[in-house]
Amino acid sequence: DAGITQSPRYKITETGRQVTLMCHQTWSHSYMFWYRQDLGHGLRLIYYSAAADITDKGEVPDGYVVSRSKTENFPLTLESATRSQTSVYFCASSLHLSGNTIYFGEGSWLTVV
Amino acid sequence: KQEVTQIPAALSVPEGENLVLNCSFTDSAIYNLQWFRQDPGKGLTSLLLIQSSQREQTSGRLNASLDKSSGRSTLYIAASQPGDSATYLCAVQPLNYGGSQGNLIFGKGTKLSVKP
Repeated sequence: DAGITQSPRYKITETGRQVTLMCHQTWSHSYMFWYRQDLGHGLRLIYYSAAADITDKGEVPDGYVVSRSKTENFPLTLESATRSQTSVYFCASSLHLSGNTIYFGEGSWLTVV
Repeated sequence: KQEVTQIPAALSVPEGENLVLNCSFTDSAIYNLQWFRQDPGKGLTSLLLIQSSQREQTSGRLNASLDKSSGRSTLYIAASQPGDSATYLCAVQPLNYGGSQGNLIFGKGTKLSVKP
């Protein structure tokens, strides 16, 4: 049972570079989410997706792009990385929007220098 | 705007103690409330999910209660063990959050340390 996997787990990149964080889930869950976790802010939703080809903004979407061409994959792209995007990024999935357990990946640690 | 607060930010107890973690939220219009555990360098693991119509949920040594009217939830851990050491987060799913209906609003967590 692979669950939900993120890659890379650790990444250092330079300001202005494009970075893509990958997320893959094996449960065929409809909903997938990207959160970032920062000291002092806790976890905040960046984008979420209700199904393939359906995505919507969360609380902090600026500077990020997502796509969902297949149900199992939900990549997050930082088009031009900034130092303020240094964070831990968590992908998550759930079967339905509400009333179901949400499952998190182990996180991607991104440092922008 | 929904806000979730967890107090205390950190808690240290000796092994074997029963303990209570607190979570409060400002808007009672929620679908559900969830408690998560996060180990250092790891993702979040869901512990208990309480629907808005429920009062409590139990799993093993864990019991979570929900009082929607007062905007409070507690996570009770019985007979604590060193393996329970982790950060515990609560999160609510608001009924209305503009367009971001999937959003969970998280507290900042309580870091629990159980000493042998």
